[in-house]
Amino acid sequence: AQKVTQAQTEISVVEKEDVTLDCVYETRDTTYYLFWYKQPPSGELVFLIRRNSFDEQNEISGRYSWNFQKSTSSFNFTITASQVVDSAVYFCALSEAPGGSEKLVFGKGTKLTVNP
Amino acid sequence: DAMVIQNPRYQVTQFGKPVTLSCSQTLNHNVMYWYQQKSSQAPKLLFHYYDKDFNNEADTPDNFQSRRPNTSFCFLDIRSPGLGDAAMYLCATSRGRGQFFGPGTRLTVL
Repeated sequence: AQKVTQAQTEISVVEKEDVTLDCVYETRDTTYYLFWYKQPPSGELVFLIRRNSFDEQNEISGRYSWNFQKSTSSFNFTITASQVVDSAVYFCALSEAPGGSEKLVFGKGTKLTVNP
Repeated sequence: DAMVIQNPRYQVTQFGKPVTLSCSQTLNHNVMYWYQQKSSQAPKLLFHYYDKDFNNEADTPDNFQSRRPNTSFCFLDIRSPGLGDAAMYLCATSRGRGQFFGPGTRLTVL
């Protein structure tokens, strides 16, 4: 069975600090996809990144970076120089490969608060 | 530019009064999903359509039904809302590159 664990329930930082959100996953599939979504207080789930299981390259997008390590089944998300607008709940998720239903298995989310 | 649209954004209904939430998409994605998200919890998948094929999650109550009359639209019907059905309802679509979510409909049951 697939499972995603986000051990950090809440994190609070001061603006400009770097922060890393942890995500550990379990799956028996050899092909799968990992995602991060941001959910601000407005409620919409905003897609941040999709990574397939064969691509272990780290990715950087502005202040955001992701570290995918199959050896530890982790897909961690780092925000550099955090800003108040980064305050949100962040969900890590896992899905089977395309061709099927692509159902997402979500972690429980990490609530990030960035204080001015 | 809107890709996944949900109407209304806020819905208030009375205990036991049927309610329908709607979702439309401009992405031409073949899969559409409905999630329920309660406060401080992760989204929970209720069901999804793979093209016209309806797929119910095993633990989705019978009180929840769905219709997909065409590729673009999908509806969530709650036949007799209870207080425990108050939640955010999220619609999502996909076509092989991950799911894209609408803004959600927040349902209040009085």
